[in-house]
Amino acid sequence: EADIYQTPRYLVIGTGKKITLECSQTMGHDKMYWYQQDPGMELHLIHYSYGVNSTEKGDLSSESTVSRIRTEHFPLTLESARPSHTSQYLCASSPRASRANYGYTFGSGTRLTVV
Amino acid sequence: ILNVEQSPQSLHVQEGDSTNFTCSFPSSNFYALHWYRWETAKSPEALFVMTLNGDEKKKGRISATLNTKEGYSYLYIKGSQPEDSATYLCAFNNAGNMLTFGGGTRLMVKP
Repeated sequence: EADIYQTPRYLVIGTGKKITLECSQTMGHDKMYWYQQDPGMELHLIHYSYGVNSTEKGDLSSESTVSRIRTEHFPLTLESARPSHTSQYLCASSPRASRANYGYTFGSGTRLTVV
Repeated sequence: ILNVEQSPQSLHVQEGDSTNFTCSFPSSNFYALHWYRWETAKSPEALFVMTLNGDEKKKGRISATLNTKEGYSYLYIKGSQPEDSATYLCAFNNAGNMLTFGGGTRLMVKP
């Protein structure tokens, strides 16, 4: 039973469209993350949040934006999708004391294809 | 950007074989080393979070060791089963508290 939900699971969309990938968690975790994975490549951090109204960019530059208005919700938005945005996007969360012995909890991912 | 390497990239074994793979990471600013198991069409699932040099953790037939001084961790699977087929990811947590993932080892266990 998933405690972190991502929708949609798959999305095929035309160039220039605005899209929002949804991520919600029910665990009350303070920290949330978005990772991007191209086929055969590593997971790269693109955005993270330490809590409400906190958002930061990750190691990999991304044209997407995120918001954190509620603890449980961390949506990712692309204002104008391009074929180069085709990738898998994974959302994850962890409790505040994540230095300690807590792994991340991941969603099932959104596989985005921009045509 | 931190360098986290996993080897091999992929591995095919027969059911019943024992196997192991390696994760290497920077030996400075160590905070924690995570192992995840990622089955196709599912979410990555945390296996172990290791924080102390010399740590050894076990979960069923899977175990992991950690050497923070030389910057490596081994994951062992004893008596592999087809249901062990998955991609195994390691991730390094440095003082910045973000996870940097390796490229994964894709394990396929043939019945």
